[in-house]
Amino acid sequence: DAKTTQPPSMDCAEGRAANLPCNHSTISGNEYVYWYRQIHSQGPQYIIHGLKNNETNEMASLIITEDRKSSTLILPHATLRDTAVYYCIVSSGSARQLTFGSGTQLTVLP
Amino acid sequence: GAVVSQHPSRVICKSGTSVKIECRSLDFQATTMFWYRQFPKKSLMLMATSNEGSKATYEQGVEKDKFLINHASLTLSTLTVTSAHPEDSSFYICSASPQDRGTAGELFFGEGSRLTVL
Repeated sequence: DAKTTQPPSMDCAEGRAANLPCNHSTISGNEYVYWYRQIHSQGPQYIIHGLKNNETNEMASLIITEDRKSSTLILPHATLRDTAVYYCIVSSGSARQLTFGSGTQLTVLP
Repeated sequence: GAVVSQHPSRVICKSGTSVKIECRSLDFQATTMFWYRQFPKKSLMLMATSNEGSKATYEQGVEKDKFLINHASLTLSTLTVTSAHPEDSSFYICSASPQDRGTAGELFFGEGSRLTVL
């Protein structure tokens, strides 16, 4: 699976949008971009995934660049409960297993 | 949504004893489950792939005799840490996805099991 690069940490004000970037310049054509988050001492939680097109669900939006070499996860109105480590993962999907990088520690500030 | 449950959530044991952790898919069947471990302030590391009805596949560097995996049914996988030592203290997490999910389905993770070996 392709490797991803994320900033180690980010802060965001409560109520504002949190934009978390991810670089995956070696992504191949059949690989999806997945985002998970892990709140302290819990198992990872699925957020969203996409292949080429931008995606939106009740939790977040995923913006993938046209060349697919990077993406941005957007939490439109961050709350204190969104404080977590966010992992951007690239996987072929059929593998079913995910390789976790270091992730981004997002801290939502009151 | 699909739920994966782990038990126990926390366990403390003495050095030299064995500890079993269960991972159950509550509302779906999973032919494959995955076991991860996570040290404090570190990311998740895949330990092994649990296959229903066959032997588990271990990642490089993971001792199969130390971490016994059994996937006896389509809804249950167990991880047994044998002859536990303090360095085995970690957060163990399992994951699974419904077997009828397409190629790009999400994985569901358990709540994790924190093992402390004294």
